[in-house]
Amino acid sequence: LAKTTQPISMDSYEGQEVNITCSHNNIATNDYITWYQQFPSQGPRFIIQGYKTKVTNEVASLFIPADRKSSTLSLPRVSLSDTAVYYCLVGASAGGFKTIFGAGTRLFVKA
Amino acid sequence: GAVVSQHPSRVICKSGTSVKIECRSLDFQATTMFWYRQFPKQSLMLMATSNEGSKATYEQGVEKDKFLINHASLTLSTLTVTSAHPEDSSFYICSARAGTNTEAFFGQGTRLTVV
Repeated sequence: LAKTTQPISMDSYEGQEVNITCSHNNIATNDYITWYQQFPSQGPRFIIQGYKTKVTNEVASLFIPADRKSSTLSLPRVSLSDTAVYYCLVGASAGGFKTIFGAGTRLFVKA
Repeated sequence: GAVVSQHPSRVICKSGTSVKIECRSLDFQATTMFWYRQFPKQSLMLMATSNEGSKATYEQGVEKDKFLINHASLTLSTLTVTSAHPEDSSFYICSARAGTNTEAFFGQGTRLTVV
């Protein structure tokens, strides 16, 4: 399973765009990149998943360069309620995908 | 997204007793379920992977006789913490997947306190 590296923490202000980058240098050909959000005392919540280029949904965008050795989660116009821990996971969707969590990035949004 | 429900959300038990935590997939059939524990300010640590109808696969360092996992149906997996001790106090989270090409959905977690 590919190891991931993320910043330990980030601060932002309400209304700003936040970009969290994840490094996964040894990503395998059939690995997908998935991001989860976790609030205190709650289970993680799926945000977005991608394989290459750009993926966008109603809450975030995921940018993946051609070499796929990193990915960036982009949260547009964050609010106080986006304060949470964000996890980047890399693993194969086919053939037994164990969801292994790294340390995550603790995002703190200030007023 | 799909719904995974855990029960109970909180439990306090006495040292030496056993506690069972249930994880249910409410609107899909979960071929695979995962169990995690999480200590304060730390990430989730995968304990075991269970596939319906077969024995769970435990991660290194996780005692399978202490953390009994049963995945008897496609919608229910249980984790039983046997002979619980205060050091077993933690936040336990389950997740479930419908298939190998789908994302995992997580339960809301169970806060276990052993006194």
